[in-house]
Amino acid sequence: TQLLKQSPQFLSIQEGENLTVYCNSSSVFSSLQWYRQEPGEGPVLLVTVVTGGEVKKLKRLTFQFGDARKDSSLHITAAQPGDTGLYLCAGAEGYSTLTFGKGTMLLVSP
Amino acid sequence: DSGVTQTPKHLITATGQRVTLRCSPRSGDLSVYWYQQSLDQGLQFLIQYYNGEERAKGNILERFSAQQFPDLHSELNLSSLELGDSALYFCASSVGLAGLYPDTQYFGPGTRLTVL
Repeated sequence: TQLLKQSPQFLSIQEGENLTVYCNSSSVFSSLQWYRQEPGEGPVLLVTVVTGGEVKKLKRLTFQFGDARKDSSLHITAAQPGDTGLYLCAGAEGYSTLTFGKGTMLLVSP
Repeated sequence: DSGVTQTPKHLITATGQRVTLRCSPRSGDLSVYWYQQSLDQGLQFLIQYYNGEERAKGNILERFSAQQFPDLHSELNLSSLELGDSALYFCASSVGLAGLYPDTQYFGPGTRLTVL
């Protein structure tokens, strides 16, 4: 069973700060997805990365897929209270089902 | 709003009982997935259906079963419930096209199951 470890488990910061969360595995994935889940709702897909070394930007969010396709990071610049939520990474081999990490809970205070 | 609906939103029941969770996928999506989310295990894939047929199976207990009907809605049946089955249960849907990578899954709002 492939495992995805996310760190940190919990992060509490002030509005305007920058942060990075990590998703690591000992296994290689053909693709990796990042989701955000807000309280009382289901996860929402933010991005899919498929190429080793790939960097994708979504407004203030920057996603990177490691060169070896075993790890990924999410960097948020100038965090806002609206960024609060549980950030989940999920890996897949080909078209197979997704394996999710346990997530990083982010709290951004005004 | 993802377009995926789940009912009920909350469910409280007793150990040993049986419950049915219902999911209606987005219009046009043929694939339905069921997940269980708990604090200790995180989001765990249970089972996937595509156009009425089982496509993939994950960590689904034998006490649990699911099906997808001709109108594409799906039901997850949980029986002989135990305290440890208390969790959030999510349904997701996708177009279901096979390709190099998983297609986008759209998650419903979930059903919170509490077993007392």
